[in-house]
Amino acid sequence: SQQGEEDPQALSIQEGENATMNCSYKTSINNLQWYRQNSGRGLVHLILIRSNEREKHSGRLRVTLDTSKKSSSLLITASRAADTASYFCATDDLQGAQKLVFGQGTRLTINP
Amino acid sequence: GAGVSQSPSNKVTEKGKDVELRCDPISGHTALYWYRQSLGQGLEFLIYFQGNSAPDKSGLPSDRFSAERTGGSVSTLTIQRTQQEDSAVYLCASSLMGRGVHEQYFGPGTRLTVT
Repeated sequence: SQQGEEDPQALSIQEGENATMNCSYKTSINNLQWYRQNSGRGLVHLILIRSNEREKHSGRLRVTLDTSKKSSSLLITASRAADTASYFCATDDLQGAQKLVFGQGTRLTINP
Repeated sequence: GAGVSQSPSNKVTEKGKDVELRCDPISGHTALYWYRQSLGQGLEFLIYFQGNSAPDKSGLPSDRFSAERTGGSVSTLTIQRTQQEDSAVYLCASSLMGRGVHEQYFGPGTRLTVT
């Protein structure tokens, strides 16, 4: 069943602007991860945030996690054309299942 | 190896034929995962290996799908009597084993087209 739900499904912005994507999930988690996918092929891990963390930074990326609302956001600052990709959140499962459950993704387009 | 590799990168097969998809994980990664991604969709979990055993096969969509892993390394996903709805990109990922779920490293995927 679907765990992560990204919002919006598609986002188009101008180069240099900030892009914000949101993810909601349903069950309790140990951690939440964000991945990027270019051209419908392999995914690249961006950042992992643990359930006891509220915010994490990595370069131009900022991730927040609100476990009370079961939601996370990914902010990309000063966007570049190369950031054009699909972005997915993925959660694990406190029930102990050794797998990630991915959302449907946000398709981000950066216009030059 | 440097990363997760998958072969073939593309596979076109006729309906009813069997196909085998291969995944070579990163050396030393004991956890291996198979996912399926249909066009424009998210990733659908298929199966997870811990070493050579598969504790979680819950995502396999039918008994036409099977997977094995040998030597704690290479894994093969087999689809028997392929159907058109099996057309998708099949992604493999590996991760370090340990408590909890770790960052997963993905291969480039195999694009399967069933005609």
